Amino acid sequence: TQLLEQSPQFLSIQEGENLTVYCNSSSVFSSLQWYRQEPGEGPVLLVTVVTGGEVKKLKRLTFQFGDARKDSSLHITAAQTGDTGLYLCAGALGGDYKLSFGAGTTVTVRA
Amino acid sequence: DTAVSQTPKYLVTQMGNDKSIKCEQNLGHDTMYWYKQDSKKFLKIMFSYNNKELIINETVPNRFSPKSPDKAHLNLHINSLELGDSAVYFCASSPFAGSNTGELFFGEGSRLTVL
Repeated sequence: TQLLEQSPQFLSIQEGENLTVYCNSSSVFSSLQWYRQEPGEGPVLLVTVVTGGEVKKLKRLTFQFGDARKDSSLHITAAQTGDTGLYLCAGALGGDYKLSFGAGTTVTVRA
Repeated sequence: DTAVSQTPKYLVTQMGNDKSIKCEQNLGHDTMYWYKQDSKKFLKIMFSYNNKELIINETVPNRFSPKSPDKAHLNLHINSLELGDSAVYFCASSPFAGSNTGELFFGEGSRLTVL
């Protein structure tokens, strides 16, 4: 059983459309991170959220941490082909050294 | 300069062989990790070292043995390789252990194929 459930597993959209990826858990996290991984490379951190209800924006990407710190979402506005990749959420339980990853959402943005 | 570098990038070997993957980080971080990414892209932590001390040891067959000669290096040795060991192995580092907001810096991965 995975600690973090991501949905959808796959997402294919046209350039210019919007998309949202979800990361859910029954556990409370002290922080949650989003990474993007491109083929043949390691994941790269996009953002860390730590406060319940927090919203962070990174250009066209908006990240939200749920009020109860059990879930998060990533919204991309006006997607571009460069947004194509595997999006991973990862969470740390309080006092835990381990960062647990969700199974990822593969996003494909078509030109 | 690559921050976290792993060698080799690709490894193809026969069942039953022993192989090693090496990792080095030049970020000055105290903590290093090995993660395994399976064919479904799921990243699962295997081991973590903080300043050469083992702090995370997940349920991994004891055919897998990590070694950290110093805090900048973490190697992974695998004995008696099995088909199910085929995966991409990622090394990562973070500034320190126990931080709930620490960023992981990943290497490019080592793709292991066991025939």
